[in-house]
Amino acid sequence: DIQMTQSPSSLSASVGDRVTITCRASQSISSYLNWYQQKPGKAPKLLIYAASSLQSGVPSRFSGSGSGTDFTLTISSLQPEDFATYYCQQSYSTLRTFGQGTKLEIK
Amino acid sequence: EVQLVESGGGLVKPGGSLRLSCAASGFTFSSYSMNWVRQAPGKGLEWVSSISSSSSYIYYADSVKGRFTISRDNAKNSLYLQMNSLRAEDTAVYYCAREAAGIENWFDPWGQGTLVTVSS
Repeated sequence: DIQMTQSPSSLSASVGDRVTITCRASQSISSYLNWYQQKPGKAPKLLIYAASSLQSGVPSRFSGSGSGTDFTLTISSLQPEDFATYYCQQSYSTLRTFGQGTKLEIK
Repeated sequence: EVQLVESGGGLVKPGGSLRLSCAASGFTFSSYSMNWVRQAPGKGLEWVSSISSSSSYIYYADSVKGRFTISRDNAKNSLYLQMNSLRAEDTAVYYCAREAAGIENWFDPWGQGTLVTVSS
């Protein structure tokens, strides 16, 4: 199975900060990498697909980059509604796997 | 509006069985692969199983292989997960999610989830 490792596991930041979350795959997954946001008690929501494509309706302060094994999710200027947990997921293998999550908290 | 609604969760004893359902609406269900993803209390997301649009291709996570069975009824716009030999570690919120058509295969949308608790 392809293992996905996110860093950091948790992150404290302030409104207006620029934040970057990284995701590393245990083998090359080309650009088959997706990012989700999850708020407490809610279902995950798709933010970025195919490594860098912004899902419709998602604010442009979110962006994704990378290919192969190393990927990043960047939030250019944190807003209060962005404090949540973020997950990466690979869709290269038929056995889909998620990263362990990054919890973004208010400093 | 594209919508997925899970049902069937509840409290079950270790070794017991449960069948989850996911009702789809607002899109051509028979054209999409579907997935189950679970989340144990306070933990991250774990992919459980996927099924192709015509049920030709089915995959399971190692943690549930041999105990869980995914299926679908395209005439009823419904996805199912039959869970047997349940263990305490299967306790989780179970989400169904539609897989994007094409090759990139992201999950969108997701249902609201149904809670399965395995406890004596």
